Amino acid sequence: GQNIDQPTEMTATEGAIVQINCTYQTSGFNGLFWYQQHAGEAPTFLSYNVLDGLEEKGRFSSFLSRSKGYSYLLLKELQMKDSASYLCAVRKTGGFKTIFGAGTRLFVKA
Amino acid sequence: DTEVTQTPKHLVMGMTNKKSLKCEQHMGHRAMYWYKQKAKKPPELMFVYSYEKLSINESVPSRFSPECPNSSLLNLHLHALQPEDSALYLCASSQVMGTRLAGGTDTQYFGPGTRLTVL
Repeated sequence: GQNIDQPTEMTATEGAIVQINCTYQTSGFNGLFWYQQHAGEAPTFLSYNVLDGLEEKGRFSSFLSRSKGYSYLLLKELQMKDSASYLCAVRKTGGFKTIFGAGTRLFVKA
Repeated sequence: DTEVTQTPKHLVMGMTNKKSLKCEQHMGHRAMYWYKQKAKKPPELMFVYSYEKLSINESVPSRFSPECPNSSLLNLHLHALQPEDSALYLCASSQVMGTRLAGGTDTQYFGPGTRLTVL
């Protein structure tokens, strides 16, 4: 089976740092994606990890530990426009399937 | 250019209507996807086309009929839908994993979606 867990909601302050965690259990892991989705809009690609370690891209960083089935997305210097849902998605081996977590709704307050 | 376009943006249809959703990309991607997303839920995979051939059908009811007429276009034909089919329908495209162009990843790029309401 497969399972992806993320916190439902988080609140953080403008200018701060927030870490959104994702744990997964899946048969056949072949990469993990993070997407940002504003309400009523399409998901936008943020990052991709397939090997253990940290990937940094501007204000966003993503970390993966395959042995622990764990990833996090780190957002620095939070801005109001970062208020959105953040989806953790796991790509399975042997095909085109990417399984999405339920998403974490992040609220950034002034 | 990482743009996937979808038309229409909004669609309201009755249960007896026939309509089509359209998706287009010009990134040279050879995999295209249809997802359904209900409010506050994650996208759920419906269909995947690879090299214009249906690769995955996630047990979707036959009232949804996909079509991939060429490598840039993906359609979803709708007929006799139910009110519970109301949702955001997302199209995505990607390189095919394992090919030289994929560069080790098949990141999916999403279109803006079609907001479908079935009355």
